[in-house]
Amino acid sequence: GQQVMQIPQYQHVQEGEDFTTYCNSSTTLSNIQWYKQRPGGHPVFLIQLVKSGEVKKQKRLTFQFGEAKKNSSLHITATQTTDVGTYFCAGPPGGQNFVFGPGTRLSVLP
Amino acid sequence: DGGITQSPKYLFRKEGQNVTLSCEQNLNHDAMYWYRQDPGQGLRLIYYSQIVNDFQKGDIAEGYSVSREKKESFPLTVTSAQKNPTAFYLCASSIVGGAYTEAFFGQGTRLTVV
Repeated sequence: GQQVMQIPQYQHVQEGEDFTTYCNSSTTLSNIQWYKQRPGGHPVFLIQLVKSGEVKKQKRLTFQFGEAKKNSSLHITATQTTDVGTYFCAGPPGGQNFVFGPGTRLSVLP
Repeated sequence: DGGITQSPKYLFRKEGQNVTLSCEQNLNHDAMYWYRQDPGQGLRLIYYSQIVNDFQKGDIAEGYSVSREKKESFPLTVTSAQKNPTAFYLCASSIVGGAYTEAFFGQGTRLTVV
């Protein structure tokens, strides 16, 4: 079945440094979604990418979908303490359910 | 105010007892899901349902049961057969089909076995 992997598992950065997490799928995806879960909270949808090579920006966050639609990345420029949390990528609900990656936990040191 | 509501927020269970976690949504979503999250871990699918009176097992369904008698409701029962039930349980819903099918999550229920 479809598998979604993420690296790194953990990332510790100093406030102001950049951060990138990578998501890789074993199969081609029709779309990919990114979610953020704050400590103690629940996952919240950030964005969906649909087109091959698509790049979308949300303030300091840049999301990219690979040309082959099997990988994606999330880049945060100049991290802030409010960026702390776990970032999940998710494949589409093919097979009737979302396939979530294991997540990348980001900690930001002030 | 549309959303997905889980209750209770915290739940304590004695060993050997069954407990039921509530999940209600007023988003008119056809699909609903239950995930389990252990500390520092990702989301593991327990059960999902795309339509009333039908549901499918996920990756870790053993020791759990669900029902989907109404579109709005998808309760999860953690049975005594679940060997290690202490975890954070998340319910989610989404539309079925269409170009954009994001998952909306509830606030979660933290279950502790005492």
